[in-house]
Amino acid sequence: AQKVTQAQTEISVVEKEDVTLDCVYETRDTTYYLFWYKQPPSGELVFLIRRNSFDEQNEISGRYSWNFQKSTSSFNFTITASQVVDSAVYFCALSEGGTGRRALTFGSGTRLQVQP
Amino acid sequence: DGGITQSPKYLFRKEGQNVTLSCEQNLNHDAMYWYRQDPGQGLRLIYYSQIVNDFQKGDIAEGYSVSREKKESFPLTVTSAQKNPTAFYLCASSRYRGDAGNTEAFFGQGTRLTVV
Repeated sequence: AQKVTQAQTEISVVEKEDVTLDCVYETRDTTYYLFWYKQPPSGELVFLIRRNSFDEQNEISGRYSWNFQKSTSSFNFTITASQVVDSAVYFCALSEGGTGRRALTFGSGTRLQVQP
Repeated sequence: DGGITQSPKYLFRKEGQNVTLSCEQNLNHDAMYWYRQDPGQGLRLIYYSQIVNDFQKGDIAEGYSVSREKKESFPLTVTSAQKNPTAFYLCASSRYRGDAGNTEAFFGQGTRLTVV
């Protein structure tokens, strides 16, 4: 069975600090997909990134970057120069390909508070 | 605009009553999902449907029922058998891409259900 672990329940930083959110996953499938979502106070989940298991290249999008390491089953998310608007709950999620479970399995989330 | 619409945003239910949460999408997505979120926790899968007239139980299906008669619609009924239904319910949809896995899921704004 698949599982996603986000060990950091809550992180508090001061604006302009860099922050890394950890995500560790478990799956028996060789084909799988990893995701990060942001949940602001409004409650709706906002998609940030999708990564497949065959693409281990790190990705950067503005102040956001993602580090995918199959050797440690991790898919960590870094926000550079954090801003107050980054305050939200962030979820890491996993889905499988082929005959595996297509629906997303979520971690428990990390609440990020960015103080001005 | 394309998207997912959940209604109502807030719902109050008396104990012992069934209640139906609406979810409609106009993204032409094949797959649809229902998740439950409790305070401070991640999202747990209730039911999902890859195609019309077919759906599968998720991790916490007991006390819930769904139907998928149309591609655009995936209503969730919370029955009186659900012992602790007070929670935030999120509906999502994604495109099915065969062996390439489902695309990222897009979420509705959620329905907050309270039992009174």
